Amino acid sequence: DAKTTQPNSMESNEEEPVHLPCNHSTISGTDYIHWYRQLPSQGPEYVIHGLTSNVNNRMASLAIAEDRKSSTLILHRATLRDAAVYYCILKYGNKLVFGAGTILRVKS
Amino acid sequence: DTGVSQDPRHKITKRGQNVTFRCDPISEHNRLYWYRQTLGQGPEFLTYFQNEAQLEKSRLLSDRFSAERPKGSFSTLEIQRTEQGDSAMYLCASSESPGHPIAFFGQGTRLTVV
Repeated sequence: DAKTTQPNSMESNEEEPVHLPCNHSTISGTDYIHWYRQLPSQGPEYVIHGLTSNVNNRMASLAIAEDRKSSTLILHRATLRDAAVYYCILKYGNKLVFGAGTILRVKS
Repeated sequence: DTGVSQDPRHKITKRGQNVTFRCDPISEHNRLYWYRQTLGQGPEFLTYFQNEAQLEKSRLLSDRFSAERPKGSFSTLEIQRTEQGDSAMYLCASSESPGHPIAFFGQGTRLTVV
């Protein structure tokens, strides 16, 4: 399975931007990069995905390195409700393969 | 609520008993996935269905585990002769079609085996 590497945890102040890094050096040319997040006691929730170009949606932005071996999820203004585990995922075949993710703590 | 629904939300069972969980995907979603999640870990893939066909099973899915999706709508996951190591959150997800990038997850069923 294609692997991703993320920091175990990060901390941010409320109302400030957050950059969550992910390394995926074994990514293949056709692998999309997916980000999901999981709030406490909830199932994972889709955040964003991309292939080569940077992507924006109402929740976040995804910046993908030119060689595609790393990417960064950007939350433009963190709120307390963004405190969650963030997973960077490469879809393997027909399934999402999750790692341990990054625990994001947001301080008020 | 038109999201993925799982029932029950919590289940406590004695070791050796059988348990069955139900998942109702979003209407007309062809793909249905089951995942298992233990504390501090990301979800682990168990199996998935395309309509009523079970197309892939993880080696994590031992002979005690069986999943069905008889009419291509709801799905059940049964665990026979439960063991303490089966204690986990069992998550169901669905997506519109094989190529659709977004999977919608339910809130999960938390199983505790005592």
